[in-house]
Amino acid sequence: EAGVAQSPRYKIIEKRQSVAFWCNPISGHATLYWYQQILGQGPKLLIQFQNNGVVDDSQLPKDRFSAERLKGVDSTLKIQPAKLEDSAVYLCASSLDRGAEQFFGPGTRLTVL
Amino acid sequence: KQEVTQIPAALSVPEGENLVLNCSFTDSAIYNLQWFRQDPGKGLTSLLLIQSSQREQTSGRLNASLDKSSGRSTLYIAASQPGDSATYLCAVAGTSYGKLTFGQGTILTVHP
Repeated sequence: EAGVAQSPRYKIIEKRQSVAFWCNPISGHATLYWYQQILGQGPKLLIQFQNNGVVDDSQLPKDRFSAERLKGVDSTLKIQPAKLEDSAVYLCASSLDRGAEQFFGPGTRLTVL
Repeated sequence: KQEVTQIPAALSVPEGENLVLNCSFTDSAIYNLQWFRQDPGKGLTSLLLIQSSQREQTSGRLNASLDKSSGRSTLYIAASQPGDSATYLCAVAGTSYGKLTFGQGTILTVHP
């Protein structure tokens, strides 16, 4: 069974530029999550989708971050414009349903200069 | 607001030792608790998931316990090996949407 796929693996941009990350969850998983992990900290949930609807985006900085999950499968997370403090690893995870075991992708390491 | 704390922040042990990692959480109304392993530059690998109604789960040399009333979980690793070196993360799922709240992790080093 294929795992959660993410791309790109690494991205370096300058502040005020925009960037987008892509995630393909495990087939059949209804719930998809985006986390931000700053160096030395545990991951923090940014947004959670149930199929193609948002169920929790309370910690998403909506003035600069946006996310969508088209047709309830793939998802993209966008940052526009990026700030220095956005430098982090962005992790995508999926689960069969809410509360089920979560499976994580390899992450995208973003460096904002 | 759920808060998760892991102790110790770092641990270094010789190969073969049994060890315990601790996790505490402030809100006992949880759906489940998961332990993850994270290798440098990699994503998270799920190790064990304990439902709120369970007291423990075992997988190989790993055993995780849950005491919901006191807000504590422990991860026991038997006969540690150098390959166990990684960061171990505890995460608690809330009851509404299953949102995970993570601790900051314990960095484990097992030296030969």
